[in-house]
Amino acid sequence: NAGVTQTPKFRVLKTGQSMTLLCAQDMNHEYMYWYRQDPGMGLRLIHYSVGEGTTAKGEVPDGYNVSRLKKQNFLLGLESAAPSQTSVYFCASSYGGLAAQETQYFGPGTRLLVL
Amino acid sequence: QQPVQSPQAVILREGEDAVINCSSSKALYSVHWYRQKHGEAPVFLMILLKGGEQKGHEKISASFNEKKQQSSLYLTASQLSYSGTYFCGTRDNYGQNFVFGPGTRLSVLP
Repeated sequence: NAGVTQTPKFRVLKTGQSMTLLCAQDMNHEYMYWYRQDPGMGLRLIHYSVGEGTTAKGEVPDGYNVSRLKKQNFLLGLESAAPSQTSVYFCASSYGGLAAQETQYFGPGTRLLVL
Repeated sequence: QQPVQSPQAVILREGEDAVINCSSSKALYSVHWYRQKHGEAPVFLMILLKGGEQKGHEKISASFNEKKQQSSLYLTASQLSYSGTYFCGTRDNYGQNFVFGPGTRLSVLP
């Protein structure tokens, strides 16, 4: 089992460019999450999904969109990148949701630099 | 609202003990603890539910005081491998919000 994988691992964008981050999990988890991690801020939830075809906003959703067309994949999109979106992005998945007593399994992260 | 962690950073010698605290202004249902090594993904340590349950993982244990709305992570006889940033994540009684704290950076020196 690969667990949770993320692509790409690193990306540099210019302001205004768009990109999509891909998260894949092979654990048949229902719930998937996208976090961003900034120094001193911990992990902040951007969007999450409670199942195929469903998504919901987290704590910091502005400037991002997500899609969950297949159960194993969760895509995070930046339509027009801004320097404030420079961060490390982590995807996670869990069998149950945030309201359940479930462990979140994290991917290795994507480091994004917006110039 | 993000829980508060203290201290922000701690430096230990191998074999020393440390305590990391996590507190919230909201009534909590559960507290989750994760450890993240530099450049790696966070890894789950344990979940504590309201009721004051104490759990252990290797020489790392934790307690949860629901009345004080806080949890403490205890690291005993620390090892070099314990170095990293420790995050608590809290879920409130309504079950809708799960939020990570800002983290506590732990450095264990030989």
